[in-house]
Amino acid sequence: GNSVTQMEGPVTLSEEAFLTINCTYTATGYPSLFWYVQYPGEGLQLLLKATKADDKGSNKGFEATYRKETTSFHLEKGSVQVSDSAVYFCALSDGAQKLVFGQGTRLTINP
Amino acid sequence: DAGVIQSPRHEVTEMGQEVTLRCKPISGHDYLFWYRQTMMRGLELLIYFNNNVPIDDSGMPEDRFSAKMPNASFSTLKIQPSEPRDSAVYFCASSLRTGKVSPLHFGNGTRLTVT
Repeated sequence: GNSVTQMEGPVTLSEEAFLTINCTYTATGYPSLFWYVQYPGEGLQLLLKATKADDKGSNKGFEATYRKETTSFHLEKGSVQVSDSAVYFCALSDGAQKLVFGQGTRLTINP
Repeated sequence: DAGVIQSPRHEVTEMGQEVTLRCKPISGHDYLFWYRQTMMRGLELLIYFNNNVPIDDSGMPEDRFSAKMPNASFSTLKIQPSEPRDSAVYFCASSLRTGKVSPLHFGNGTRLTVT
């Protein structure tokens, strides 16, 4: 079945550091890939998406590139801020409406 | 748009009691999902509906859980009887099917504590 694996958290960085959160997936066919973010006390929000190989999703300074050869969709940001502290979820959809989520990675940014 | 609205935000109940969680999806969205989030198991899909019809309930833990969607603007998730292991944050989400990519819009969740 389809699955998503994210790097173990928690991740703690200093402000302005470079961020990478790894995500790999297992799926048949050509899934769509997503990153969602969850701020404290809130539901998940879509951060960015990519629908085909080599697509780059981007939003709020975050980027992720759909790599079919390595079945990966790593999240990156060049300079993190305290306000980026949240839990980040990688997810995939194989065309059906339900998403398969990774386990989430908690990110804490210290000033 | 008000987004997905869930109520209550917090619910504390005793073991054995009935619990009902409520959700109002975004107007016009034709899919509705119920998720459960715990530290141990992460985010689990319990059930989802399309046009008010349950499509996949394979994630519902057991017969104590039931979900209904009587109309396009309202859904409930009921636990009867509740148990301490049901303690979790329950999220409702909705989406509109538009081609291949249909992002989910989540509510702020209901934090359930069963003592």
